[in-house]
Amino acid sequence: NAGVTQTPKFRVLKTGQSMTLLCAQDMNHEYMYWYRQDPGMGLRLIHYSVGEGTTAKGEVPDGYNVSRLKKQNFLLGLESAAPSQTSVYFCASSLNTGELFFGEGSRLTVL
Amino acid sequence: SQQGEEDPQALSIQEGENATMNCSYKTSINNLQWYRQNSGRGLVHLILIRSNEREKHSGRLRVTLDTSKKSSSLLITASRAADTASYFCATAYGVGGWGYNKLIFGAGTRLAVHP
Repeated sequence: NAGVTQTPKFRVLKTGQSMTLLCAQDMNHEYMYWYRQDPGMGLRLIHYSVGEGTTAKGEVPDGYNVSRLKKQNFLLGLESAAPSQTSVYFCASSLNTGELFFGEGSRLTVL
Repeated sequence: SQQGEEDPQALSIQEGENATMNCSYKTSINNLQWYRQNSGRGLVHLILIRSNEREKHSGRLRVTLDTSKKSSSLLITASRAADTASYFCATAYGVGGWGYNKLIFGAGTRLAVHP
């Protein structure tokens, strides 16, 4: 049982490049989330989804886009990466509005 | 900001001692959750306490919630070196008409347990 799987785990980008982070969950959860974690700031919600085909903005959505075309997948895109987007990105899912299950994180560096 | 704030930011104790971490928040919540994060890993859910509950136990963990003071505490009893990790509180607020709870995380408490 894989739970929540994030790919890639590490990525280095140059300013202005684009990329997509993929999150996959095999628990049939309705809700999915993308967070970023920066030193001393805890986790901040970027975007979330309450079901297939839906997305909504979180606390820090600027510079990111998301899609939830399939229930098990939640994609996070960076159209034009900036150094300020250097961070560790975590995907999570939940059955309802209780416990979140997290992936192991994707470490992104933007030069 | 609605973010929960943990106190202390860092805690260093010896094995066998108890560790207490506190979390304060600003507005009414639906529930409060505690998570643990080992270095370089994802967060793992520890315990959830609802707004109408005052205390909850899970193994060596004890969580209290005081909604009048807008605060919660996590107590780890008889700590072990393996408890070394960062601990985060997350407060859940109702959003919109979906019954969705927005989860806001604090900055965490770094706990070091020395053998």
